Amino acid sequence: AQSVTQPDIHITVSEGASLELRCNYSYGATPYLFWYVQSPGQGLQLLLKYFSGDTLVQGIKGFEAEFKRSQSSFNLRKPSVHWSDAAEYFCAVAAGAAGNKLTFGGGTRVLVKP
Amino acid sequence: DGGITQSPKYLFRKEGQNVTLSCEQNLNHDAMYWYRQDPGQGLRLIYYSQIVNDFQKGDIAEGYSVSREKKESFPLTVTSAQKNPTAFYLCASTSGGTAAGQPQHFGDGTRLSIL
Repeated sequence: AQSVTQPDIHITVSEGASLELRCNYSYGATPYLFWYVQSPGQGLQLLLKYFSGDTLVQGIKGFEAEFKRSQSSFNLRKPSVHWSDAAEYFCAVAAGAAGNKLTFGGGTRVLVKP
Repeated sequence: DGGITQSPKYLFRKEGQNVTLSCEQNLNHDAMYWYRQDPGQGLRLIYYSQIVNDFQKGDIAEGYSVSREKKESFPLTVTSAQKNPTAFYLCASTSGGTAAGQPQHFGDGTRLSIL
């Protein structure tokens, strides 16, 4: 069965600084990978997805993620963080044989200092 | 605008009571999902349905039940058998049937608490 690990529970970053959120997955075949963002008390919004092809994918709100098969990683990055980026971020993997079932990581909460 | 509507936003349950959470989508999506979210545990799949009149258990189905009588509706009932129902519940949907990799669209959630 697939699994997703987000090693950092909390990250604090200064506004304007760069941000990197780590995601490691375990899955036997080529994964379908996603990053979602959740503001407090709300649902999840898709930031970006990776299916195949170029390993560097661009998403909304200035985020990008890089797929590294050799490291089983799909880390999310943003060059310059804005206060509005304070939220919880979830990495997820879809199992091909089971359709669109997603397995989520535990999430990383990002705090932005002024 | 198309989207997923969950209601109510807040719900309180008394001991021994069943409660039903509503999820409606107007995206014409085939597949729908229910997740439970607890602090620090991410989202865990309760039930999912890939087509009308069909649904499957997810990872934590015990104490929950669902129905899928209409394409746009996928209500979740939290039964009295669920001993720890306090959580944030999220409904999602995707297009594309069983094709893997379609991104899920989420509602804004229902927060269920025990009185």
